[in-house]
Amino acid sequence: AQSVTQLGSHVSVSEGALVLLRCNYSSSVPPYLFWYVQYPNQGLQLLLKYTSAATLVKGINGFEAEFKKSETSFHLTKPSAHMSDAAEYFCAVSGPGTGKLIFGQGTTLQVKP
Amino acid sequence: DAGVIQSPRHEVTEMGQEVTLRCKPISGHNSLFWYRQTMMRGLELLIYFNNNVPIDDSGMPEDRFSAKMPNASFSTLKIQPSEPRDSAVYFCASSLKGREKLFFGSGTQLSVL
Repeated sequence: AQSVTQLGSHVSVSEGALVLLRCNYSSSVPPYLFWYVQYPNQGLQLLLKYTSAATLVKGINGFEAEFKKSETSFHLTKPSAHMSDAAEYFCAVSGPGTGKLIFGQGTTLQVKP
Repeated sequence: DAGVIQSPRHEVTEMGQEVTLRCKPISGHNSLFWYRQTMMRGLELLIYFNNNVPIDDSGMPEDRFSAKMPNASFSTLKIQPSEPRDSAVYFCASSLKGREKLFFGSGTQLSVL
């Protein structure tokens, strides 16, 4: 079975500050890991994904995430938050080749001016 | 490409009525997923299809829910009879089989009164 846990349902940062959204996973097989972003009244969009290549993954809009097997973590970071980053962020896990994504509960990111 | 198209965007119905949600995946994609999003339970995978065949329907809540994919360009999710606890946003997503990047539609906001 696979699952992800996102620590913190709401995160608030100031514009220009570091963004850190936490995700821990559980998987009985080598996982594929993802971060998706959801803007209000829209579907989810892929930010980045880890599929067993480089452990540091760079995505769109300046986001990156690091796969740490020893910590079973896949935290999302961005050095400097922009107002446009305010959205809900979802971590997800799948087994290789299955295409079946299991999502975490989501973290709402608020960016204050 | 127009992306994944869902209809209707909003549906308001009364308890006991039949509800049909529709999805047109991206042309060429051969995997299709139905997700439900609620505040309490987050994003739940209901069912997914590969090459029009249902692969995993373990997330379908109960027999009142059914999903079909009669061809590669169309899928429906039906709820009969609907209940207030079915109120949620229902997302359809598609992908190329074996590729984990899902493309989401804009969702159907269902309200059952």
